[in-house]
Amino acid sequence: SQTIHQWPATLVQPVGSPLSLECTVEGTSNPNLYWYRQAAGRGLQLLFYSVGIGQISSEVPQNLSASRPQDRQFILSSKKLLLSDSGFYLCAHVGGTVNTEAFFGQGTRLTVV
Amino acid sequence: ELKVEQNPLFLSMQEGKNYTIYCNYSTTSDRLYWYRQDPGKSLESLFVLLSNGAVKQEGRLMASLDTKARLSTLHITAAVHDLSATYFCAVDINNDMRFGAGTRLTVKP
Repeated sequence: SQTIHQWPATLVQPVGSPLSLECTVEGTSNPNLYWYRQAAGRGLQLLFYSVGIGQISSEVPQNLSASRPQDRQFILSSKKLLLSDSGFYLCAHVGGTVNTEAFFGQGTRLTVV
Repeated sequence: ELKVEQNPLFLSMQEGKNYTIYCNYSTTSDRLYWYRQDPGKSLESLFVLLSNGAVKQEGRLMASLDTKARLSTLHITAAVHDLSATYFCAVDINNDMRFGAGTRLTVKP
């Protein structure tokens, strides 16, 4: 079965510090991978998506970046966090070799202080 | 630009009543998804609809898709308190998956 792992679950970081959130997928190959951010009580904002290793599409210009060093690994990074980066970050995957359903990780609640 | 609009954004229902949530999107889509989110939690997949006229049902929830009208509906039958949550639709166009703003559903006794 397919599973998606996202960590950490909770993170408190000072302004100006770096960020690295990791997402890995099991049970499928060549998935489409996504990073979303959700502000409190709001909808999901697409940040990045990737259809393959090294292929990243950015939807929102900001101080975040994403990388896909391996087929089933997707990383969200920042060199210097801003207060406005606080939110609930969700990784998702779709497709691959198994089926078309989309699955989400448990999410990372980031608070920048 | 792909736009996904959901309505209503807020819905307060009494137990036992029926209601429909609507999801409109602006361009031809490959897939449409419905998700449920409980407070503080991640998203749980409810349905994926792949073709025009697709209808799927799970318990008190039924989703349908009209690709010609670019419209999907999520129908709630005889609501119960456990259905209280936020429901999102999402549209996938060429691997770009976009979400509606969500419908916050509250079911009251």
